[in-house]
Amino acid sequence: QKEVEQDPGPLSVPEGAIVSLNCTYSNSAFQYFMWYRQYSRKGPELLMYTYSSGNKEDGRFTAQVDKSSKYISLFIRDSQPSDSATYLCAMSLYNTDKLIFGTGTRLQVFP
Amino acid sequence: DAGITQSPRHKVTETGTPVTLRCHQTENHRYMYWYRQDPGHGLRLIHYSYGVKDTDKGEVSDGYSVSRSKTEDFLLTLESATSSQTSVYFCAISDGAGGNTIYFGEGSWLTVV
Repeated sequence: QKEVEQDPGPLSVPEGAIVSLNCTYSNSAFQYFMWYRQYSRKGPELLMYTYSSGNKEDGRFTAQVDKSSKYISLFIRDSQPSDSATYLCAMSLYNTDKLIFGTGTRLQVFP
Repeated sequence: DAGITQSPRHKVTETGTPVTLRCHQTENHRYMYWYRQDPGHGLRLIHYSYGVKDTDKGEVSDGYSVSRSKTEDFLLTLESATSSQTSVYFCAISDGAGGNTIYFGEGSWLTVV
């Protein structure tokens, strides 16, 4: 079993939809939780970062961490075609930058 | 954009030949990483460095070596390339302040034939 599980998709939604992306993990010691966005043939770029449990909002993006369930989510409101990309969840232990990634979910937002 | 330059961006090489990928940063960050990205596996850590001449192995280090003689440069070497090392390689940098400060380069596409 992988430490971090993520549905690869693809997920196809119409413009304006609310998108929910999720990851589950097995290591209860993870403290930092990140979401990266990766456009085709580009490097991952950090989208959201959360320390420990709770919610974080940035514009149309909301990240949630539920450590009791070992489950993290990324919500995208009013999705746009420009949101079409692969979304990678990542997490790490306390006081380390070594990230463990999910396999990524490919999202397509059609006009 | 974080100042990370990877070279070469694309390379085709033959099985058994040595290959070196270079990562150059202009941010003066202490930590540097090499990841590979493959379908079904996501990004996996190959090697990392926490300072000049200080390196350590990651999850998938077999067949790879690294060197860091200057803060700004981190080299990844495939001593004898194999077809299983066909992948996209990403360099990342961090100032060590936690997960929110890790930045990735644009990637190097390597094909071993």
